[in-house]
Amino acid sequence: EVQLVESGGGLVQPGGSLRLSCTSSGFTFRSYDMHWVRQAPGKGLEWVSYISTTSNTIYYTDSVRGRFTISRDNAKNSLYLQMNSLRAEDTAVYYCAREFSVMVTGNLGWYFDLWGRGTPVTVSS
Amino acid sequence: DIVMTQSPATLSLSPGERATLSCRASQSVSSNLAWYQQKPGQSPRLLIYGTSTRASGIPTRFSGSGSGTEFTLTISSLQSEDFAVYYCHLEWTFGQGTKVEIK
Repeated sequence: EVQLVESGGGLVQPGGSLRLSCTSSGFTFRSYDMHWVRQAPGKGLEWVSYISTTSNTIYYTDSVRGRFTISRDNAKNSLYLQMNSLRAEDTAVYYCAREFSVMVTGNLGWYFDLWGRGTPVTVSS
Repeated sequence: DIVMTQSPATLSLSPGERATLSCRASQSVSSNLAWYQQKPGQSPRLLIYGTSTRASGIPTRFSGSGSGTEFTLTISSLQSEDFAVYYCHLEWTFGQGTKVEIK
C-alpha cells in the first residue's frame, strides 16, 4: 500500500525539542521531493518545509527558519523534522506530504498528492 | 508574498445543489493552482491540479476553472460525502479554506 506514516509528536514545553519522522512505503521514496505541512487546531493548512530528492535544496517558512531542520534518509525511506526552541504557536498537526510535479498547459506545477495521517504536536507548559 | 483568499468562509447547501467556491490571488498567478478536500479527522486529499485537471479517482462532478487572480472549484451536484472543508493551494501558500456544510 502506498502510504506515509508520521510519528514522534507529543506534548512538549515551550523551548523544548521534538523530532518528527515520516516513514514511506509502496513507492520509490528517493524519487520524490517531500514537504512538511502543519495545521493548527481549528485552522487551515500551512506549508512548513521542503526537501529535494537528494537533500541538496531545502526551504522553510519564515516562522520556523533557524529552529526547524528538515532531513531525509532515502535508504530508510524516511523524512524527518527536527524541531527546536518550540513555541506555543507551533502547536499543530504535522503532515508529511509527497510532491507531485506535472506539466499542465505548458506550466510545470507541483502539488501534494499523498499525505500522511499527521502527528499532533502540543507546545504547552 | 502571494496571498490566497477563499470565499465564502462557509457555504450552506443541500444535497443535490451546486457548490461554487472561489479562490482569489493577491496578484496574477500561473495556472498551477490546486484544490484539496479535507474531512474532519482526515488528512487533505488532492482534488484538482493545474487549475482544472482532476486528480486520479476524483469524480467528474468536481471541476476547476479560472485564470489570473480568480479561480473556482465547482461541485455540480453535492453528494453527502462532499460536505467538507476545501482549500486552494499555490506553491507555498494555501487559502484559509471554505467549509461546505449541510443546510
